[in-house]
Amino acid sequence: DARVTQTPRHKVTEMGQEVTMRCQPILGHNTVFWYRQTMMQGLELLAYFRNRAPLDDSGMPKDRFSAEMPDATLATLKIQPSEPRDSAVYFCASTPDTDTQYFGPGTRLTVL
Amino acid sequence: AQSVTQLGSHVSVSEGALVLLRCNYSSSVPPYLFWYVQYPNQGLQLLLKYTSAATLVKGINGFEAEFKKSETSFHLTKPSAHMSDAAEYFCAVIGGTSYGKLTFGQGTILTVHP
Repeated sequence: DARVTQTPRHKVTEMGQEVTMRCQPILGHNTVFWYRQTMMQGLELLAYFRNRAPLDDSGMPKDRFSAEMPDATLATLKIQPSEPRDSAVYFCASTPDTDTQYFGPGTRLTVL
Repeated sequence: AQSVTQLGSHVSVSEGALVLLRCNYSSSVPPYLFWYVQYPNQGLQLLLKYTSAATLVKGINGFEAEFKKSETSFHLTKPSAHMSDAAEYFCAVIGGTSYGKLTFGQGTILTVHP
């Protein structure tokens, strides 16, 4: 049963520290998305990649967030420096086509 | 651009009662529509999707949804609620030039009482 995996599942850090979240999409899926979920804003798209190339990162604060796909099996989302307002659950999703997205379990980030 | 509005952030039903979760969308082109479910501390799981085929779509766990273009709606229903249906439900849309990009509603938390 193929699944999207995300690490770490939980992260607690102090303001100003760098945070790296990792996602392994389902093998063969060529499009990868990063979403953020908060109580106030709900689910927001941060960025997405197709065939490892960034297609849209307009939802991401450019000064502190960066997203990359070093290879087809790994997507990363970095925050540097982190701030308390970045506390949220970050989801990765992948898809082999244009519609159904398969979500990972999420990384719950707490920035103190 | 496209958007989704879910009417009612919280819905409470009794076990065995009808479940109706409302979703209205806005899209300038024919949309693809989805319902996802999120259980506590888990990721989102696809319940069902409409992709321009049959307007009545059946999904997992006994849920179904009907696409009504004239009403721009895609409401989710289940004839008889079960305790295990308690979760948060998200309606989402892909449309226009937003290739593959889901726009989510704010979510509806479903509570099922014994």
